[in-house]
Amino acid sequence: AQSVTQLDSHVSVSEGTPVLLRCNYSSSYSPSLFWYVQHPNKGLQLLLKYTSAATLVKGINGFEAEFKKSETSFHLTKPSAHMSDAAEYFCVVSDGSSKGSQGNLIFGKGTKLSVKP
Amino acid sequence: DSGVTQTPKHLITATGQRVTLRCSPRSGDLSVYWYQQSLDQGLQFLIQYYNGEERAKGNILERFSAQQFPDLHSELNLSSLELGDSALYFCASSAFPAGVTDTQYFGPGTRLTVL
Repeated sequence: AQSVTQLDSHVSVSEGTPVLLRCNYSSSYSPSLFWYVQHPNKGLQLLLKYTSAATLVKGINGFEAEFKKSETSFHLTKPSAHMSDAAEYFCVVSDGSSKGSQGNLIFGKGTKLSVKP
Repeated sequence: DSGVTQTPKHLITATGQRVTLRCSPRSGDLSVYWYQQSLDQGLQFLIQYYNGEERAKGNILERFSAQQFPDLHSELNLSSLELGDSALYFCASSAFPAGVTDTQYFGPGTRLTVL
């Protein structure tokens, strides 16, 4: 079965410093992986997705993630944090375990990012 | 704005009651998905519809049901409500029955509070 583990429930950085949000996945096949962001009292917005093309994926708002099969990781990074990045981030794998469940999303537990001025 | 709309934004009701949550997918999208976000369970997939037909079920309780209408909007019906059903309910849509690479676009959610 597919699953994702977000290694940190809360990450705090200072504005202007790099952001690293860690995610490990488990999958018996080549997965599709996503990062979604949820700002307070808002819905979920897609940041980026990996679908077996380039292993380094660039997303919106300066975020990027690198798919590393050998490490089963898909960490999210940003070179310089901005106050507006404060939100909850979800690492997500697309369920391909059966034809009926294909495409359904399996979410990690989320990482809350705080950005200090 | 994802183009997915959900109503109502907030819903407060009592235990034992029944409520209906509504979702309109993005223009042209045929698939609708429902997810529940709660503090203890996190974000969980509930059910998927494609062009009016149920396509997949996740961790959906028997007290919950959904349907997708000919105009492609969807409703999630929650009955015999319990305190533990308090959660944020999201609807998402995609163009086709989602393959593993397809993107789902999420609505703003309906926050249900059961008192």
